[in-house]
Amino acid sequence: DTEVTQTPKHLVMGMTNKKSLKCEQHMGHRAMYWYKQKAKKPPELMFVYSYEKLSINESVPSRFSPECPNSSLLNLHLHALQPEDSALYLCASSQDRGSTPLHFGNGTRLTVT
Amino acid sequence: AQKVTQAQTEISVVEKEDVTLDCVYETRDTTYYLFWYKQPPSGELVFLIRRNSFDEQNEISGRYSWNFQKSTSSFNFTITASQVVDSAVYFCALNSGYSTLTFGKGTMLLVSP
Repeated sequence: DTEVTQTPKHLVMGMTNKKSLKCEQHMGHRAMYWYKQKAKKPPELMFVYSYEKLSINESVPSRFSPECPNSSLLNLHLHALQPEDSALYLCASSQDRGSTPLHFGNGTRLTVT
Repeated sequence: AQKVTQAQTEISVVEKEDVTLDCVYETRDTTYYLFWYKQPPSGELVFLIRRNSFDEQNEISGRYSWNFQKSTSSFNFTITASQVVDSAVYFCALNSGYSTLTFGKGTMLLVSP
């Protein structure tokens, strides 16, 4: 079983909806990440939080809004998405932002209609 | 700039065959880390191995082995006696210091009975 838990596993939303993706880890990791993965492509980094502060935003559109309420939780708030935003959204954590491996969750498969 | 090249897009083998997945990387840093991840159809990215740039020893873990050669900037992954459960997309990745993880495009491995 993965030590990074993501909910929901599947999400279908309309372009006017507001929804949130949730991620939780209890490994004491201080860095957490959101990745977006389209079919047959590698994951693309969206955001990095280090010690609960946003340290990297890879020019992600504002319709994606990350939030890190505490060191164990990471949310991704979605609003006014486009059909091309349909993808697998992966959360990951690592002990720090350096050399340690990332541990990924199972992901949320998002479909925007 | 960092770059990871996985030239093999898809490999098909029959069970019990050995298979090698190639990974070639580029970086200007002298200290860096290489990783392999497995992504089965369920979507989770499973961490397999991390290797730092100062450790060129090959590693074996059960049916898996890794060959790291700095002279050719390669970090190849071999599965011995492949099994159907090995079917997945395999990603090679690189990072150095506080840079973000750079993924290759992935190699899809199909193992048929």
